[in-house]
Amino acid sequence: AQTVTQSQPEMSVQEAETVTLSCTYDTSESNYYLFWYKQPPSRQMILVIRQEAYKQQNATENRFSVNFQKAAKSFSLKISDSQLGDTAMYFCAFTPILGNEKLTFGTGTRLTIIP
Amino acid sequence: DGGITQSPKYLFRKEGQNVTLSCEQNLNHDAMYWYRQDPGQGLRLIYYSQIVNDFQKGDIAEGYSVSREKKESFPLTVTSAQKNPTAFYLCASSTPTGGGYEQYFGPGTRLTVT
Repeated sequence: AQTVTQSQPEMSVQEAETVTLSCTYDTSESNYYLFWYKQPPSRQMILVIRQEAYKQQNATENRFSVNFQKAAKSFSLKISDSQLGDTAMYFCAFTPILGNEKLTFGTGTRLTIIP
Repeated sequence: DGGITQSPKYLFRKEGQNVTLSCEQNLNHDAMYWYRQDPGQGLRLIYYSQIVNDFQKGDIAEGYSVSREKKESFPLTVTSAQKNPTAFYLCASSTPTGGGYEQYFGPGTRLTVT
């Protein structure tokens, strides 16, 4: 069974600063996807970024980037130039590629951007 | 506009009553999912369906039931057997085509049982 661990229940950072959210996972699979989802106060889940495990290059989406360390089973999210709209819960999630597309989620990190 | 709709946004029921939460998608996705979200516990999978007329239990299926008679619809019934039904319920859909595997979520239903 896969597990996803987010060890930072809450974080806060000043607007325009950079913040890194941690995520580790445990799996015996070799091919899988990792995701970061954002859940703002509206509670709508929004995909932030996706990483394929077979790609060594770290994924980036504008101000969001990941540091994917496959051997260490680590998948951190870096948010640069943080904005007030980044205030949200952030969930790390995992799915094996040849499975049934089930997502396993971490417990989330509540991020607050301070003006 | 393609997306997932869940209704209603807020639902109130008395203890002992069954209640059905609606989930509809027009994304032409094959797979659909139901999650429960409680404070501090992330999202936990209740049921999922990869094809019409077929579904599987997730991690916390006890006290819940589903049906998948149409590709677009995946209603969830919270039965009186569910011991702690008050929670936020999220529906999602996905398709492996295009290599995405990401799930698209509806806006959720907040169920309160008293």
